[in-house]
Amino acid sequence: AQSVTQPDIHITVSEGASLELRCNYSYGATPYLFWYVQSPGQGLQLLLKYFSGDTLVQGIKGFEAEFKRSQSSFNLRKPSVHWSDAAEYFCAVGEFGTSYGKLTFGQGTILTVHP
Amino acid sequence: NAGVTQTPKFRVLKTGQSMTLLCAQDMNHEYMYWYRQDPGMGLRLIHYSVGEGTTAKGEVPDGYNVSRLKKQNFLLGLESAAPSQTSVYFCASRGSGTDTQYFGPGTRLTVL
Repeated sequence: AQSVTQPDIHITVSEGASLELRCNYSYGATPYLFWYVQSPGQGLQLLLKYFSGDTLVQGIKGFEAEFKRSQSSFNLRKPSVHWSDAAEYFCAVGEFGTSYGKLTFGQGTILTVHP
Repeated sequence: NAGVTQTPKFRVLKTGQSMTLLCAQDMNHEYMYWYRQDPGMGLRLIHYSVGEGTTAKGEVPDGYNVSRLKKQNFLLGLESAAPSQTSVYFCASRGSGTDTQYFGPGTRLTVL
């Protein structure tokens, strides 16, 4: 069964600092991987996704993520964090061999940004 | 396009009461999903639909029922609400042949 682990429940960074959010997955085949962001009181917005090709993918809002098959990881990065990046971030793995495209989410990482 | 909308945004119920949450999408998507979000647990799939008139159980279906009478709408029902169903509920949709789910803004439900 597929699973996703986000080891960090809560991360605090200063504005302008770099950011890396960790995501480890368990899946038998080549996974579809996603990062979503949820601002307070809002729904989930897709930041970026990966399923093949270049292992470094670019997303919206200046985010990028790198797929490392050997480490079963898909970490999210941003070189310089803005106060508006404060939110909860979810990593997810998708299985599209099934009939309905199952998405399994990690527990989420809450990002706090200090001025 | 409004995307995915959910009604209502907030609701408070007493134990044993019933209610229906409505999800609507205007993207002509085949697939629709209902999730619940609880602190520290991410999102868990309650029920899903692969097309009009079809529904199926997800990971945590107990206590919920769904219907998809029209392609654009996916209803989630609670027949007899329990405090354990206090949660934030999200609806999502996905087009056939695509890999991305689009989420609604959520419904915050409290069961007293």
